[in-house]
Amino acid sequence: GAVVSQHPSRVICKSGTSVKIECRSLDFQATTMFWYRQFPKKSLMLMATSNEGSKATYEQGVEKDKFLINHASLTLSTLTVTSAHPEDSSFYICSASQGTSQPQHFGDGTRLSIL
Amino acid sequence: SQKIEQNSEALNIQEGKTATLTCNYTNYSPAYLQWYRQDPGRGPVFLLLIRENEKEKRKERLKVTFDTTLKQSLFHITASQPADSATYLCAQPPNQAGTALIFGKGTTLSVSS
Repeated sequence: GAVVSQHPSRVICKSGTSVKIECRSLDFQATTMFWYRQFPKKSLMLMATSNEGSKATYEQGVEKDKFLINHASLTLSTLTVTSAHPEDSSFYICSASQGTSQPQHFGDGTRLSIL
Repeated sequence: SQKIEQNSEALNIQEGKTATLTCNYTNYSPAYLQWYRQDPGRGPVFLLLIRENEKEKRKERLKVTFDTTLKQSLFHITASQPADSATYLCAQPPNQAGTALIFGKGTTLSVSS
């Protein structure tokens, strides 16, 4: 149980393009979803916390106009990287939780490469 | 701000031995700690959660301890196998409690046969 599906797994696109990443909880309803960014050999960096039906809470230093998050239902959250540039290239991972102090269940990540 | 330190970037052990990974934190003691496993190119997988009022938690060959005096959690894998080779991440809430997590940099374990 507790499967989180993330799509696409890999994206290569030109600078200036907007890219949408989907995160779905397949077999449970997630009260909260999270978006992380991970650089090579570095830990996960929390970008934002997303609750269904409300605005996402962004961590300090994360541009909310650059990284648009929509949490339309208890099973779907999307991250849109707007006008992507090479410095946005990274590994983006989502996770879903069923509540406070509960484990987070992660998707398999999206490798984003901006040329 | 709260910091998590996993001091060993890499740990190499022989098959059958016990691997011990360390997670230290600064400032406040969190309400709980979690340990995850991450394989290359994949998302982390939840392993164990231990709460501040628990000293030890076990699951099959895994054992986690939580020492609020030392501000430390230890993660043990007994009878290690090559399949246990992966990066292990320690995580805790950034504000003592709550749903969000901050992660340590991880320790990459290599088990040789």
